[in-house]
Amino acid sequence: SQTIHQWPATLVQPVGSPLSLECTVEGTSNPNLYWYRQAAGRGLQLLFYSVGIGQISSEVPQNLSASRPQDRQFILSSKKLLLSDSGFYLCAWSVIGHAAFGSGTRLTVV
Amino acid sequence: DAKTTQPPSMDCAEGRAANLPCNHSTISGNEYVYWYRQIHSQGPQYIIHGLKNNETNEMASLIITEDRKSSTLILPHATLRDTAVYYCIVRAPHRGSTLGRLYFGRGTQLTVWP
Repeated sequence: SQTIHQWPATLVQPVGSPLSLECTVEGTSNPNLYWYRQAAGRGLQLLFYSVGIGQISSEVPQNLSASRPQDRQFILSSKKLLLSDSGFYLCAWSVIGHAAFGSGTRLTVV
Repeated sequence: DAKTTQPPSMDCAEGRAANLPCNHSTISGNEYVYWYRQIHSQGPQYIIHGLKNNETNEMASLIITEDRKSSTLILPHATLRDTAVYYCIVRAPHRGSTLGRLYFGRGTQLTVWP
């Protein structure tokens, strides 16, 4: 069966520090991969999606970037965090007929 | 992708059916209706999806009107653990994926009380 791993679960980072959130998927090949952000009291905002290794599409201009170095690995990064980057970040994967989300990372920028 | 309209909150007594409505009046012919739910600080959980016909699985039933402009998610016997935010989304498959440019609104906060 397919599983998705996302870490860390919580993270507190100072303004201006770098960020790296990792997501890996097991049990499937060539999935579409996604990063979403959820601000407090808001819906889920699609940040990036990837249909293959090295293929990244950005949905909104922002202080973040994404990379997919391997088929089942998706990384969300920032060189310098802003206060506004605080939120709940979710990784997700999908193949035809099925999709699932990771457990999320609560990022607090202080 | 079509936009959806959901009530911001609903209550339901434990053991009773919870009927969650969703309006999607601008839905296109190839767009599916998906329902997810999110328990606080967890990732969204897929519930059910459908195109035209009513669907049922072990979690819920999905009733789509004949004109496909609205749908209702039914939890037949709500439990306290069903308390969550429920999202209704409509979209066409994107590159074979059920997600793609999948936009979530604020959903409906369902509170199940004892």
